[in-house]
Amino acid sequence: EPEVTQTPSHQVTQMGQEVILRCVPISNHLYFYWYRQILGQKVEFLVSFYNNEISEKSEIFDDQFSVERPDGSNFTLKIRSTKLEDSAMYFCASMWTNYGYTFGSGTRLTVV
Amino acid sequence: DQQVKQNSPSLSVQEGRISILNCDYTNSMFDYFLWYKKYPAEGPTFLISISSIKDKNEDGRFTVFLNKSAKHLSLHIVPSQPGDSAVYFCAASAGMNRDDKIIFGKGTRLHILP
Repeated sequence: EPEVTQTPSHQVTQMGQEVILRCVPISNHLYFYWYRQILGQKVEFLVSFYNNEISEKSEIFDDQFSVERPDGSNFTLKIRSTKLEDSAMYFCASMWTNYGYTFGSGTRLTVV
Repeated sequence: DQQVKQNSPSLSVQEGRISILNCDYTNSMFDYFLWYKKYPAEGPTFLISISSIKDKNEDGRFTVFLNKSAKHLSLHIVPSQPGDSAVYFCAASAGMNRDDKIIFGKGTRLHILP
């Protein structure tokens, strides 16, 4: 069964550093998403991406966040200057044209 | 503002019995509801969904019930099995566009007891 692949599985970074979280969505999927889950809290929507542009973003997705799909396969989330409160599990998801999301297994980001 | 609420953070059920996970929502624009299951260190996986035009959807051991007037849905698992121990997320989506974001509840941790 096709999978959404996320790398790395765990990333530790110093506060203020830039991080790039990588995702390889399922190849024929058209819609791409990033979600995050701070430990003990709910899964929160960050951003959706369709047709090479952001279609929706949440209040969490401020100027320090960016997404891109540079080569038609990878879908990346960049955090420009990490803060302690960015520590969370980040999930990538993709979808073709139905409501069924396929989630990756997540990247645990720890900001120290 | 919690639009999707799962008020029970955890639930323990004896193996073989019925597990009932509950979910309430506040946004009357939601027209599609989903349940996801999540094991530790993995992303949520889609389990079952229901459109607002139905009140029940069944898939094997899993049945989702929707009560629109009460803005309430529930997931029934019968019979419960040890592999069902996981966190279950209720989620909802609004609007006609299939790329609309889904709003997750906080999740309910289900423990199936031997």
